[in-house]
Amino acid sequence: RKEVEQDPGPFNVPEGATVAFNCTYSNSASQSFFWYRQDCRKEPKLLMSVYSSGNEDGRFTAQLNRASQYISLLIRDSKLSDSATYLCVVNPLTGRRALTFGSGTRLQVQP
Amino acid sequence: DGGITQSPKYLFRKEGQNVTLSCEQNLNHDAMYWYRQDPGQGLRLIYYSQIVNDFQKGDIAEGYSVSREKKESFPLTVTSAQKNPTAFYLCATGQATDTQYFGPGTRLTVL
Repeated sequence: RKEVEQDPGPFNVPEGATVAFNCTYSNSASQSFFWYRQDCRKEPKLLMSVYSSGNEDGRFTAQLNRASQYISLLIRDSKLSDSATYLCVVNPLTGRRALTFGSGTRLQVQP
Repeated sequence: DGGITQSPKYLFRKEGQNVTLSCEQNLNHDAMYWYRQDPGQGLRLIYYSQIVNDFQKGDIAEGYSVSREKKESFPLTVTSAQKNPTAFYLCATGQATDTQYFGPGTRLTVL
């Protein structure tokens, strides 16, 4: 089983739609969680950290469910510019301070 | 992100040749990381360094070597022992919060 699992997609949605991605992680001791965005042939960029209480940044909302070991990202009112791959990232706290990345979920917002 | 530079952007290597990828940062971050990304796949950790003059192997260190003589620099050498080096190489830096920031990457192609 992969440490971080994501549905690869693609998710094809019309502009203005609401779309949600889920991600599951295997290490219950994990403490830090993030969503990164990666555009085609570019480096990943931090979208938001994910906190236990959930957090919102504009049209983006991230949630953490420790009991079920999953993380979600909700995007409201999708824009064409939201088209990208979204990477779920976990710090598994295995004794090394290095993050574990999911393979990503591709989102394509269509006009 | 603007404080992390990688060079070159594109690199072509002949079979049996060693090549070195540069990563420089001016963010004053203690930790630096090298990842490899293959098409349609997630990031895999090659090497990481938490402090100057110290570094640790990641998940796929075979065929690679690094050095960390200065806080600002963490070069990666892809040796001839790496059997399938064609990939997108990403350097990242981080601090105690675990958030990592990426450079623009180097695309390595073996001819």
